[in-house]
Amino acid sequence: DAGVIQSPRHEVTEMGQEVTLRCKPISGHDYLFWYRQTMMRGLELLIYFNNNVPIDDSGMPEDRFSAKMPNASFSTLKIQPSEPRDSAVYFCASSLVTGNTEAFFGQGTRLTVV
Amino acid sequence: AQKVTQAQTEISVVEKEDVTLDCVYETRDTTYYLFWYKQPPSGELVFLIRRNSFDEQNEISGRYSWNFQKSTSSFNFTITASQVVDSAVYFCALRASNTGKLIFGQGTTLQVKP
Repeated sequence: DAGVIQSPRHEVTEMGQEVTLRCKPISGHDYLFWYRQTMMRGLELLIYFNNNVPIDDSGMPEDRFSAKMPNASFSTLKIQPSEPRDSAVYFCASSLVTGNTEAFFGQGTRLTVV
Repeated sequence: AQKVTQAQTEISVVEKEDVTLDCVYETRDTTYYLFWYKQPPSGELVFLIRRNSFDEQNEISGRYSWNFQKSTSSFNFTITASQVVDSAVYFCALRASNTGKLIFGQGTTLQVKP
């Protein structure tokens, strides 16, 4: 398997623009996680899905953030409108069902909002 | 509620020194899972080890060893005879058995100087 695939790897956008980050989890994995990494806050869990259903979105910072998982092989994280403070590295991860398995991470998307 | 605390923000050692990275966790679950990940300067997150809450056996893998103590809610990570290639950010993580939620500590930046 190719692992968790995120796109784009880098994104530079202007404040106010819409940004969409994409993730393809490992085939057969039931869980999908979105994290944001910043120097100040470390690795924050934004939202996670189980079998395509959002389970906990309490980490989503504001209504400007939304995430979807229309099928088992694809998820998006959208920011609209984007702000400079959204600049961070966004990671997607997937895992098999149940906690006794590690999560596998994508390479991350480095987002810069200017 | 789940929480992971890595009190050491940054550690600097000289090559060949031993170093221990601390991790303290909080959870109300009786069954849970603990993990350590490594993030080298290249940015990817690499899984190192998983431990179940009902298995308090310590583990050694080469220069790496892990000490899990439920009584103190700690899961510490020791690198023996550190090397420059060990320089990275190390994350401790906790996963709930019932919800699958996976959260991370703030991370400890380890710098190993030649």
